[in-house]
Amino acid sequence: GAVVSQHPSRVICKSGTSVKIECRSLDFQATTMFWYRQFPKKSLMLMATSNEGSKATYEQGVEKDKFLINHASLTLSTLTVTSAHPEDSSFYICSAQGQEYRETQYFGPGTRLLVL
Amino acid sequence: QKEVEQNSGPLSVPEGAIASLNCTYSDRGSQSFFWYRQYSGKSPELIMSIYSNGDKEDGRFTAQLNKASQYVSLLIRDSQPSDSATYLCAVNKGRGSTLGRLYFGRGTQLTVWP
Repeated sequence: GAVVSQHPSRVICKSGTSVKIECRSLDFQATTMFWYRQFPKKSLMLMATSNEGSKATYEQGVEKDKFLINHASLTLSTLTVTSAHPEDSSFYICSAQGQEYRETQYFGPGTRLLVL
Repeated sequence: QKEVEQNSGPLSVPEGAIASLNCTYSDRGSQSFFWYRQYSGKSPELIMSIYSNGDKEDGRFTAQLNKASQYVSLLIRDSQPSDSATYLCAVNKGRGSTLGRLYFGRGTQLTVWP
């Protein structure tokens, strides 16, 4: 149980385009999903927290208009990187949390974004 | 003061030895504690969760929690080269606006050499 998928696993795009990343909880209902970013050899950095049906809460310094988060259902959250630039290149990881797992976060496999 | 601190490592142990990973946290009211393992280039994978003082064992892994000392540890017995990874300690404060959020340490890199 507690499987989280992410799609795509890897994406290369041109500067200025938008990229959408999907995060799905496959076998449980995720009341809360989290989006992280991780640069090489650095710590996980929480970007935002999203609850199903409500607006995401962004961490300080994260531009909500650039990183659009939608949590439309209890099994799906999406992160859209709008007008991507090379400095947005990173490893984006989602995690999902369900009521039956008592605050435990289960991570998706991550999406590696490269902006040229 | 950081929310969660881990010994920086890197930690290197021979195969078969016990690896000991340590973590301290600043918020005395924290409720839930987790250890994740992260292989290079991969996402974190849950190893253990612990909520009460004392020890919790799962196979070769033992998590220890001491809330009075605000200290969490992970012991890996009979370490294997496949245990070589970065180990992340995470803490949930369990209340208020931060409910559900995990605070992560920077991680300790473990190398188990054959």
